Amino acid sequence: EAGVAQSPRYKIIEKRQSVAFWCNPISGHATLYWYQQILGQGPKLLIQFQNNGVVDDSQLPKDRFSAERLKGVDSTLKIQPAKLEDSAVYLCASRAPERAGEQFFGPGTRLTVL
Amino acid sequence: EDKVVQSPLSLVVHEGDTVTLNCSYEVTNFRSLLWYKQEKKAPTFLFMLTSSGIEKKSGRLSSILDKKELFSILNITATQTGDSAVYLCAVATDSWGKFQFGAGTQVVVTP
Repeated sequence: EAGVAQSPRYKIIEKRQSVAFWCNPISGHATLYWYQQILGQGPKLLIQFQNNGVVDDSQLPKDRFSAERLKGVDSTLKIQPAKLEDSAVYLCASRAPERAGEQFFGPGTRLTVL
Repeated sequence: EDKVVQSPLSLVVHEGDTVTLNCSYEVTNFRSLLWYKQEKKAPTFLFMLTSSGIEKKSGRLSSILDKKELFSILNITATQTGDSAVYLCAVATDSWGKFQFGAGTQVVVTP
């Protein structure tokens, strides 16, 4: 089966600019997650979708971050405006309904904010 | 606040050595504990543990969970240079699969 797809793989922007990331989960995976992984740290959950509904966005900085999954398949994560501390790898993951734990991760987008 | 702590943060070993990685957790609602391997890309799944005392094994890797003492260990025997990676421990804390990750242990295996 095809894995989780993400684009772009790398992005360099200046602070206060906007950026968007795209994720296409594994076909049939209803649950989709966006994580932020800062260098030297473990991934931190930003937002979790079940189909096109938000299950958990408690750690999403809503003043600058937004995410959507309009048709319950692919998803976009946006940052507007970006800050220096947003430099990180943004990982998307998805999970099959029948698999209680395992999440499958995409290759990530490495964001550098200058 | 849920917390997952991994130790050591990093280690360097020679090929053929055995390594033991630790993951301790304090969470309000434990569902399962998972180990992932992360090279210069996305984390890849290794093990999922839900029951105490039952060892999971895959080749040279094995892992066990102690739900009384709230920790898990990941063992790698006869290490190879291909084992060099960051090993992440994650605890699932709800039925939706929300993960709390540790910071990871960086393992470097030298020839």
